[in-house]
Amino acid sequence: EDQVTQSPEALRLQEGESSSLNCSYTVSGLRGLFWYRQDPGKGPEFLFTLYSAGEEKEKERLKATLTKKESFLHITAPKPEDSATYLCAVRNTGNQFYFGTGTSLTVIP
Amino acid sequence: GAVVSQHPSWVICKSGTSVKIECRSLDFQATTMFWYRQFPKQSLMLMATSNEGSKATYEQGVEKDKFLINHASLTLSTLTVTSAHPEDSSFYICSARVKAEAFFGQGTRLTVV
Repeated sequence: EDQVTQSPEALRLQEGESSSLNCSYTVSGLRGLFWYRQDPGKGPEFLFTLYSAGEEKEKERLKATLTKKESFLHITAPKPEDSATYLCAVRNTGNQFYFGTGTSLTVIP
Repeated sequence: GAVVSQHPSWVICKSGTSVKIECRSLDFQATTMFWYRQFPKQSLMLMATSNEGSKATYEQGVEKDKFLINHASLTLSTLTVTSAHPEDSSFYICSARVKAEAFFGQGTRLTVV
């Protein structure tokens, strides 16, 4: 069964304290792994798509990496405005999306 | 990225009434749109797939008579929650895909009182 597990469920960081969020997945034919940012009361905002193991993408303080079993979202020197829930999703060969439950990140000034 | 606009962003309705939520693709045409429901601290749950010009495909356990979906044009899909009850209170999000990527609306917070 295709599924996505994210950890930790919640993460509190001091401003400037780098860390990583994990997304472990099992999927019947990966056709993309997606990271989204979701602010309270808003829809998910697209961040990255990764397609194959070894691929990396960066955007400002965020860097996403992918292996055959998991993806990491690295946050370097986070700022309070990075506080949000980060969602991971995978797309399988049937074009179905499976979402994790998210990691709620709080960055303390 | 592609822009998906959802309206309203929040709505409060009385139990027994119906509520319509609109989802528009602003800068692209979407033959398929997706409706999700999200409970606090839980993942997005796919409710149904909306297909332009044809009937929607509902996920198992989703009542098609309660959650009416209409996809009358290539840029608009609507979700109507009929005879709403307090247990229908939730966050509803629509999504459309451009090639391999999914883009989401802002979401609608529905509260049934």
